[in-house]
Amino acid sequence: GNSVTQMEGPVTLSEEAFLTINCTYTATGYPSLFWYVQYPGEGLQLLLKATKADDKGSNKGFEATYRKETTSFHLEKGSVQVSDSAVYFCALSDAGGTSYGKLTFGQGTILTVHP
Amino acid sequence: DTAVSQTPKYLVTQMGNDKSIKCEQNLGHDTMYWYKQDSKKFLKIMFSYNNKELIINETVPNRFSPKSPDKAHLNLHINSLELGDSAVYFCASSQDSAGRVGYTFGSGTRLTVV
Repeated sequence: GNSVTQMEGPVTLSEEAFLTINCTYTATGYPSLFWYVQYPGEGLQLLLKATKADDKGSNKGFEATYRKETTSFHLEKGSVQVSDSAVYFCALSDAGGTSYGKLTFGQGTILTVHP
Repeated sequence: DTAVSQTPKYLVTQMGNDKSIKCEQNLGHDTMYWYKQDSKKFLKIMFSYNNKELIINETVPNRFSPKSPDKAHLNLHINSLELGDSAVYFCASSQDSAGRVGYTFGSGTRLTVV
């Protein structure tokens, strides 16, 4: 079956530091890959996505590249802000087989950014 | 205008009670979902409906019953609530049933069973 593995958290950084959150996946078909962000007390928001190999998704200074050869979709940001503190989820959607577009999530990584 | 709205936002109830959570989306999407987020933040799909038809039913106790009166609504009814049902429940919708464009999530319903 499909699975997503994210780096263990929590991650604590100082403002303006470089961020990487690792994500690797296992899928039977050709998945679309996503990063979602959950701010405290809120629902999940789509941060960025990539639908095929070598696509780069980007939004709000975050970016991730779909690497089929390493089955990875690592999230990066060059300079984090306090307002980036949230839980970040890597996810995949595999339309093949019996998945019917369901999202399989990683376990989430808590990011805390200090001033 | 809230794209995916859930009510109530908080629900505290006693074991054994029956409760419902309502979800509505005004995006015109055909596909809607229910996800459960446990205390460790892990998210797992429960149900999916496409145009009022059930297409995903994960291994969820049959005390949980989804109802989709029309494609803009997907409600979740839970019978005989148990302590282990305490979690945050998220409704979501998607433009395509293959899930390739991503979901729009509601803000969640925090259910506490005491």
